[in-house]
Amino acid sequence: DSGVTQTPKHLITATGQRVTLRCSPRSGDLSVYWYQQSLDQGLQFLIQYYNGEERAKGNILERFSAQQFPDLHSELNLSSLELGDSALYFCASSKGTGENTEAFFGQGTRLTVV
Amino acid sequence: DAKTTQPNSMESNEEEPVHLPCNHSTISGTDYIHWYRQLPSQGPEYVIHGLTSNVNNRMASLAIAEDRKSSTLILHRATLRDAAVYYCILRDVSGTSYGKLTFGQGTILTVHP
Repeated sequence: DSGVTQTPKHLITATGQRVTLRCSPRSGDLSVYWYQQSLDQGLQFLIQYYNGEERAKGNILERFSAQQFPDLHSELNLSSLELGDSALYFCASSKGTGENTEAFFGQGTRLTVV
Repeated sequence: DAKTTQPNSMESNEEEPVHLPCNHSTISGTDYIHWYRQLPSQGPEYVIHGLTSNVNNRMASLAIAEDRKSSTLILHRATLRDAAVYYCILRDVSGTSYGKLTFGQGTILTVHP
């Protein structure tokens, strides 16, 4: 158990819908990262927050947004869903952003868009 | 982001050592070499990291070439539980990277009983 909690574990929804994925980081970790893993793209970095502020952005679509709340949990919002958004979404957390801070990953949320 | 090159797959027998290579010829002075692995149906898991010197921990050893253009992850005695995808990642903590991990395709390690 990494200490990072992601909910829900599985999600099935229809095209055009909107969903929210939730991530609770390890206690004391200030940094949260979101990744998308699909069969043909591997693990893609989406976005990173540190202590409530956005710090880095990767290949995140405009239909996707995220935020980190004062209690440090984070949510990834996916809207106008398309079939191609079906993937595993991972959240990771780390104490900081420095070189000696390892990242801990959750078990992921498997999103299926039908 | 600086890139890494790893073999697509490797095989090993149980209880034998495994050497997983990684090339990173464009590594910069601020890049740390991190290794993560992903077991089937799980999130990635930290294995080890280093900058210039060889590193050991309870899971593995990391051997870094003197010019830092390559590294090798060493599993001293492979077990069936070590079957996973192993990712070699250069973690840049300078500039706007803020320590994000950029994953490549990794090496699929198969361990035979």
